[in-house]
Amino acid sequence: GAGVSQTPSNKVTEKGKYVELRCDPISGHTALYWYRQSLGQGPEFLIYFQGTGAADDSGLPNDRFFAVRPEGSVSTLKIQRTERGDSAVYLCASRPPGSAGELFFGEGSRLTVL
Amino acid sequence: QKEVEQDPGPLSVPEGAIVSLNCTYSNSAFQYFMWYRQYSRKGPELLMYTYSSGNKEDGRFTAQVDKSSKYISLFIRDSQPSDSATYLCATTNAGGTSYGKLTFGQGTILTVHP
Repeated sequence: GAGVSQTPSNKVTEKGKYVELRCDPISGHTALYWYRQSLGQGPEFLIYFQGTGAADDSGLPNDRFFAVRPEGSVSTLKIQRTERGDSAVYLCASRPPGSAGELFFGEGSRLTVL
Repeated sequence: QKEVEQDPGPLSVPEGAIVSLNCTYSNSAFQYFMWYRQYSRKGPELLMYTYSSGNKEDGRFTAQVDKSSKYISLFIRDSQPSDSATYLCATTNAGGTSYGKLTFGQGTILTVHP
């Protein structure tokens, strides 16, 4: 597709469960980012991939959060032992080569932890 | 104190008004400045992008950056109901892994009524 695709668009889970969120970036964009947006707040950086490797994971809140991008395209954000405070919209973005702040965002995965 | 401060509003204006949106930031290392627009339940989309201080105009939109006072502005002329959205300022450092690692403001909710 032409844009960044994220699935699922909505996910409701129970406290303590494991969740996977998927991102399919724009073709040709080697840089991929995950952000988290809580209600009424701006997005907050979680992790950045350049190719297959995580170049910067300083925004991951704790070791329950993990992300992979094994083939340098699709990425999966994994959250273990979910907590109610994890409820947010998880946004994925990709960046064209040569640009600095120009990110193309997906529509997000809305996670609700009951 | 957050690195980027933005008045959340909400801001309500009549159609045709000039809108002024503002952010302040604290980190003098920030070099790239962006404005993103986010419609309800959508991902942010890049509206304006500037490097260092100065003005940039694109149609009805003008972005201003004053690095001496660490102040970022977005002006919307002849505002339209379709401009109703949340406006997010964002910034990042120059260089390498900083590209795309954006620090966002809280977002200002704008409503333009006919």
